[in-house]
Amino acid sequence: GESVGLHLPTLSVQEGDNSIINCAYSNSASDYFIWYKQESGKGPQFIIDIRSNMDKRQGQRVTVLLNKTVKHLSLQIAATQPGDSAVYFCAENLRPNSGYALNFGKGTSLLVTP
Amino acid sequence: ETGVTQSPTHLIKTRGQQVTLRCSSQSGHNTVSWYQQALGQGPQFIFQYYREEENGRGNFPPRFSGLQFPNYSSELNVNALELDDSALYLCASSSGTSGTTQYFGPGTRLLVL
Repeated sequence: GESVGLHLPTLSVQEGDNSIINCAYSNSASDYFIWYKQESGKGPQFIIDIRSNMDKRQGQRVTVLLNKTVKHLSLQIAATQPGDSAVYFCAENLRPNSGYALNFGKGTSLLVTP
Repeated sequence: ETGVTQSPTHLIKTRGQQVTLRCSSQSGHNTVSWYQQALGQGPQFIFQYYREEENGRGNFPPRFSGLQFPNYSSELNVNALELDDSALYLCASSSGTSGTTQYFGPGTRLLVL
C-alpha cells in the first residue's frame, strides 16, 4: 500500500460546511471499499462501505462515491461538526496472495474550526 | 465501541526481546486480522487468521507470527524486536474473510528502545 510521511494532507473546514475527502485506490480488481475515521490514540472506526457494483451509498450525514473508471473514492460529510475532526482513511479489500487484506490509502487529516 | 479488545494498551521493550500482543474478537466474528501502524501512516496488513488457520500474510518477516484460538481470540508474537517495530498494533475482527467489514480494536502501542 501507499505510505506517507509524518505530514498528512490536511483539510480545514468551518463548522457547518460540507467536507469532501478524496482517495485513490490501487487495484482495479478490488470489489469492496471502506472509509474509516481515526481519532488520536484510537483504532480506526468504521464509517461507511461500498461494493464495486454501486456508485454511491449514503449513510447518516455521510455519502461515499465510487468511480471505478479512475479508481477514485470520495467521502462527503454534510454539516461538518467539531467531533468530525480526525484522520480519515479509505481502504480497499484485496485478495492477492495475502488473504483478504485491507489496503489503506493515504490518510487525510480533517480539521473542523468553529 | 466495536467490542474488539486488545491488551496491553502500552508496552515498552528493548531491542532483541520478544513480545506477545492479545486480541479478543467481537462476538460472532471468526476472523482476526493484524495491522501495524507507524506514526503518521496508514495501517499495514501483517496477517489474517480464519478459524485458527493463517489465511494470508503481508510483507512482514517470519519473526512476526500469530495464533488464533478456538474462541477466535488471537495473539501476535514478535521475536528479536527491532527499533522499527515501534508502532501501534491493531487487530480487527470480521464475520468472514472477504468483503466483510473489519472492526478495529483500540490498539497496543509498542515502543522498542
